[in-house]
Amino acid sequence: KAGVTQTPRYLIKTRGQQVTLSCSPISGHRSVSWYQQTPGQGLQFLFEYFSETQRNKGNFPGRFSGRQFSNSRSEMNVSTLELGDSALYLCASSLEQQGFYGYTFGSGTRLTVV
Amino acid sequence: QKEVEQNSGPLSVPEGAIASLNCTYSDRGSQSFFWYRQYSGKSPELIMSIYSNGDKEDGRFTAQLNKASQYVSLLIRDSQPSDSATYLCAVYGGATNKLIFGTGTLLAVQP
Repeated sequence: KAGVTQTPRYLIKTRGQQVTLSCSPISGHRSVSWYQQTPGQGLQFLFEYFSETQRNKGNFPGRFSGRQFSNSRSEMNVSTLELGDSALYLCASSLEQQGFYGYTFGSGTRLTVV
Repeated sequence: QKEVEQNSGPLSVPEGAIASLNCTYSDRGSQSFFWYRQYSGKSPELIMSIYSNGDKEDGRFTAQLNKASQYVSLLIRDSQPSDSATYLCAVYGGATNKLIFGTGTLLAVQP
């Protein structure tokens, strides 16, 4: 059974640009959540999608957005990149709508903003 | 007060010893509790989940939950150098309905 797949694995972008990250959940999983991980802040919740609807959102500025498609694949977009956006972005999927049973994480996308 | 708190460590234990990792949480309505292991440069991996008060054992790992004290712990028996990693406590439910992570405890098992 394939795990959670995130693409690309690495990205280098310039300040002011925008970026789109992709996540394919485990087959059959309909919930996808996104987290930002930095050395100083740890894992910070960005948002959760279930059946193409955003069900929950973290405390991030509007530059961070996402969506989910009918096949449960999800994308996350960050516009007007700032240096502080450099982080590991992790996607996680779960069978149920919410995280009651925990999430399975993908390998992440390492974003570097220069 | 942080929602989920862990000692950042590093926690250093000799090979074969018991490693004890602790976590406290602030939301009394939290429903499920997890321990993830994260090796350097890798993504978090779920190793234990616990939902009710008491102990839950799985191989060398034991998770302990005390909801009255809002406390979760992870014991690793017969620690091995391969257990060296950051251990993340995560809590779900309560007011936010989000899976909230602590900042993790770095465990170093010395051969």
